[in-house]
Amino acid sequence: GENVEQHPSTLSVQEGDSAVIKCTYSDSASNYFPWYKQELGKGPQLIIDIRSNVGEKKDQRIAVTLNKTAKHFSLHITETQPEDSAVYFCAASIGGSYIPTFGRGTSLIVHP
Amino acid sequence: SQTIHQWPATLVQPVGSPLSLECTVEGTSNPNLYWYRQAAGRGLQLLFYSVGIGQISSEVPQNLSASRPQDRQFILSSKKLLLSDSGFYLCAWNRGTNEKLFFGSGTQLSVL
Repeated sequence: GENVEQHPSTLSVQEGDSAVIKCTYSDSASNYFPWYKQELGKGPQLIIDIRSNVGEKKDQRIAVTLNKTAKHFSLHITETQPEDSAVYFCAASIGGSYIPTFGRGTSLIVHP
Repeated sequence: SQTIHQWPATLVQPVGSPLSLECTVEGTSNPNLYWYRQAAGRGLQLLFYSVGIGQISSEVPQNLSASRPQDRQFILSSKKLLLSDSGFYLCAWNRGTNEKLFFGSGTQLSVL
């Protein structure tokens, strides 16, 4: 089955800095890569996703890049703000699968 | 628009007591439904998923069970809770393969 590794487990940045979270996956058949943000005491929410036919996708201050050859994808947050503080999860879905495989999460702390 | 409801938000139960957590989805039909558990605020462990009424797949053997009595209703149960059942339980749904998950707001279960 699919295995997703996520790094770092904790990331501390100053407000205004950029943050990068990286994930690797094992199954080359994976073709859908969502990112979720979970605030304290709440359920995760999708913030951005990318499919394997695209190398990069942007939405305002967040972007995701995908390198299919190396089997890794990354979340980039620019101009971080305190409200970006949360746990971020990456995930990968094998083509035709209902169920994504999640990374273990990254706790992002943005200091004012 | 689609919404997912999960209750209760918080639950404190003694060891050995029964459990029933309910999740309902509105605004869609024939959703895939999922129960996840999150221990220590990190890591999403898939417990059960369902692709249709009465169809339940278990990912982790344990003293929990799930049922789907109606198309948009998913119930997580236990006959006798253990201390190790404590955690943050999340219900989620999606439409099909390789599609984003929508999570409920979660239930914080404390077994004492």
